[in-house]
Amino acid sequence: DTVLTQSPATLSLSPGETVTLSCRASQSLSSTFLAWYQHKAGQAPRLLIYGTSGRATGTPDRFSGGGSGTDFSLTINRLEPEDFAVYYCQQSGSSITFGQGTRLEIK
Amino acid sequence: QVQLVQSAAEVKKPGASVKVSCTASGYTFARHTIHWVRQAPGQRLEWMGWINVDSGHTQSSQKFQGRLNLTRDTSASTAYLEVSSLTSEDRAVYYCARETPIPVAGNHYYYMDVWGKGTTVTVSS
Repeated sequence: DTVLTQSPATLSLSPGETVTLSCRASQSLSSTFLAWYQHKAGQAPRLLIYGTSGRATGTPDRFSGGGSGTDFSLTINRLEPEDFAVYYCQQSGSSITFGQGTRLEIK
Repeated sequence: QVQLVQSAAEVKKPGASVKVSCTASGYTFARHTIHWVRQAPGQRLEWMGWINVDSGHTQSSQKFQGRLNLTRDTSASTAYLEVSSLTSEDRAVYYCARETPIPVAGNHYYYMDVWGKGTTVTVSS
């Protein structure tokens, strides 16, 4: 199975800042099989990005995804208070696996 | 609106089985595969398996071979996950998620677009 490694594990930022989260795959992955989810405690995970760069319904345009091969990223421009959460990348090219998550905390 | 409502938290003894339900509303239940994903404390999300709600066909992660039973009741718009021979390592939050085809680069690919809020399963003697 493809292992996804996210970095950093935790980020402390202020609203209004811009952040890029990284997701590295253990083997090359078609961009169509990479997605990002947002997860807040006690809530259902939410699909943000599909196919590396497609925004899911309801995803604000301050969220953008990119990358190819083994390196993928999620950028959030001008962080809003509601963006502080845990973000997971997920691949479905070789079984289904998730990264370990990046936690965005308010500084 | 589209939602998946999961059953309440469970406490089980080692060696027992647990059955978690996931009831869909707001869409045609039979048209979407349901996945099951769990998250143990401090661990990443872990995919467990899926059920094609229309046909009943299932596929499970090899890690759970023989311990997982995925079923559905289309008349109740409900999917079920049953895990047997529980150990302390099965303590986790269990999620169901709907799979939806989304067009990407001229083809359709499948993503988990709607999730339940999770069911906490505690295994303790």
